[in-house]
Amino acid sequence: NAGVMQNPRHLVRRRGQEARLRCSPMKGHSHVYWYRQLPEEGLKFMVYLQKENIIDESGMPKERFSAEFPKEGPSILRIQQVVRGDSAAYFCASSRDSTNVLTFGAGSRLTVL
Amino acid sequence: QQQVKQSPQSLIVQKGGISIINCAYENTAFDYFPWYQQFPGKGPALLIAIRPDVSEKKEGRFTISFNKSAKQFSLHIMDSQPGDSATYFCAASNQAGTALIFGKGTTLSVSS
Repeated sequence: NAGVMQNPRHLVRRRGQEARLRCSPMKGHSHVYWYRQLPEEGLKFMVYLQKENIIDESGMPKERFSAEFPKEGPSILRIQQVVRGDSAAYFCASSRDSTNVLTFGAGSRLTVL
Repeated sequence: QQQVKQSPQSLIVQKGGISIINCAYENTAFDYFPWYQQFPGKGPALLIAIRPDVSEKKEGRFTISFNKSAKQFSLHIMDSQPGDSATYFCAASNQAGTALIFGKGTTLSVSS
């Protein structure tokens, strides 16, 4: 029974490139959340998705960031034209329902050169 | 109103001692209060959680104390062990399905 799978675990991009982070939720989970963690900071909520729907994107920067959770396949967090300030650990979590009992993945660590 | 304030930022406890981490919230609509444990290079893992209909919940060496009137909750780790050294996050949300709001974390070091 695999947990939440994130890939890549580590990603290096140069300024201006695109970063794509993927998340496969736990089996039986249809709710996906993305969080960003900066050094010495807590986990900042970015977006909450269910299959094919964005439920809450109040934590997403207005530009360059997008997320999707298609009917088939993993959820994807996409960062266009990355800047150094985007360097962070991005965590995906999933839950079976909307009660917020979250299981987190191991994270994807993005470094922007 | 959406903030969860956590203290202390870091904590050093001797082996066998009690570790206490505190959190405070503003939003009275919050009704779910979990604690997560995170080791370096890993994702956070759910440790213990409480809902406001009880004032205390205990699981092994870990206890959550909840004070609804003060809008505060705390994590107590009894008989702290070096293996408990990690970062601990409190969080809060409400049943309307809004996302968990996390505190900034407490780095716990248990010296042997």
